[in-house]
Amino acid sequence: GAVVSQHPSWVICKSGTSVKIECRSLDFQATTMFWYRQFPKQSLMLMATSNEGSKATYEQGVEKDKFLINHASLTLSTLTVTSAHPEDSSFYICSARDSLGGSYEQYFGPGTRLTVT
Amino acid sequence: KQEVTQIPAALSVPEGENLVLNCSFTDSAIYNLQWFRQDPGKGLTSLLLIQSSQREQTSGRLNASLDKSSGRSTLYIAASQPGDSATYLCAVRVNQFYFGTGTSLTVIP
Repeated sequence: GAVVSQHPSWVICKSGTSVKIECRSLDFQATTMFWYRQFPKQSLMLMATSNEGSKATYEQGVEKDKFLINHASLTLSTLTVTSAHPEDSSFYICSARDSLGGSYEQYFGPGTRLTVT
Repeated sequence: KQEVTQIPAALSVPEGENLVLNCSFTDSAIYNLQWFRQDPGKGLTSLLLIQSSQREQTSGRLNASLDKSSGRSTLYIAASQPGDSATYLCAVRVNQFYFGTGTSLTVIP
């Protein structure tokens, strides 16, 4: 089946630094990828939708200058949390849509746990 | 905007019981509905996917039903086991996924 990977699986960073999270579709091409954030004991909230070769679309309330998304290829999207603060600590999950294969199914990555100290 | 609600928020049952998890959504114009399992600190595992034209899907001890007109889905787990303990999320897909609030299930040995 289709596999989506994320790297790193967990990361600890200091306040004020930036951290990059990668999302890869391993065996399919994805023109569209999604980034979600999940706080403890809460559900997943969509942060942004990224389309290959174009600017990401951010959900209301999500700062685009803080959460930089780049979708440079059909198999890779990156989320960079800039000037991280403790309140950015969360579980970030990406998802990729198999657009070119025709199924349009959406597959989820295993998530990245970010802790900002 | 689509809103997805799951009841109950938490459930604790003894091993062997059959149980039902409920999911409701406000807009019936969905592409599909999917049930996921999430273990603590882990990502999502897809359990069952029901297309909008379907009424139910089954996989092993799991059965999910969909009543699109009333905006409801149920996940039925038969003969629950301690290994079933996890959070169960339902999500409806329109142009994007809208996730429910989750049901935290504990199956007591």
